[in-house]
Amino acid sequence: GAGVSQSPSNKVTEKGKDVELRCDPISGHTALYWYRQSLGQGLEFLIYFQGNSAPDKSGLPSDRFSAERTGGSVSTLTIQRTQQEDSAVYLCASSFRAGRGFSYEQYFGPGTRLTVT
Amino acid sequence: QKEVEQNSGPLSVPEGAIASLNCTYSDRGSQSFFWYRQYSGKSPELIMSIYSNGDKEDGRFTAQLNKASQYVSLLIRDSQPSDSATYLCAVTSYGGATNKLIFGTGTLLAVQP
Repeated sequence: GAGVSQSPSNKVTEKGKDVELRCDPISGHTALYWYRQSLGQGLEFLIYFQGNSAPDKSGLPSDRFSAERTGGSVSTLTIQRTQQEDSAVYLCASSFRAGRGFSYEQYFGPGTRLTVT
Repeated sequence: QKEVEQNSGPLSVPEGAIASLNCTYSDRGSQSFFWYRQYSGKSPELIMSIYSNGDKEDGRFTAQLNKASQYVSLLIRDSQPSDSATYLCAVTSYGGATNKLIFGTGTLLAVQP
């Protein structure tokens, strides 16, 4: 079946511009996550959505970052006033369900490579 | 800070050998454990999941979990050059409503033909 899809695959933007990254999770998956991976670094959690519950935003690095999930499906990660340190690969993952420290398998999309010049 | 630790490697094994990858974690409340494979320039690909103590086998891969020792490992039998990649250990973080994965920095595996 179809996996997690993300768009765009690559995005080059100038410092100070806003960007939107999109994630389409696997159909039927209620949990959706955003992570980012900087060059040579590990994966860093950004935000987590589970069904209609309030999202866990504890990983967002600054108030320039926001995310929403419409209709319990597609999610958009927005970065305002981009900075060079925002350059990274932004990865979306989805799982069937997660709660209270437990998670079913998380499947990753191909990622969006963001370059801020 | 809740952590997941892995030896960064590289771990070099000859083709056909068993590769053993290890991971320790600090959060005793963690309930879900995963191994991902990541090729250079690609996103992580799920290899194995394990939720209870003991072994879980899937083809050439075996995951082992010991919650008392806070230790999880991945064995790859009959290693192939195509197994050469970075292997990431990931553990759920327990506490409140969060269900994020905490990732180790990965072990680079090189299978020599």
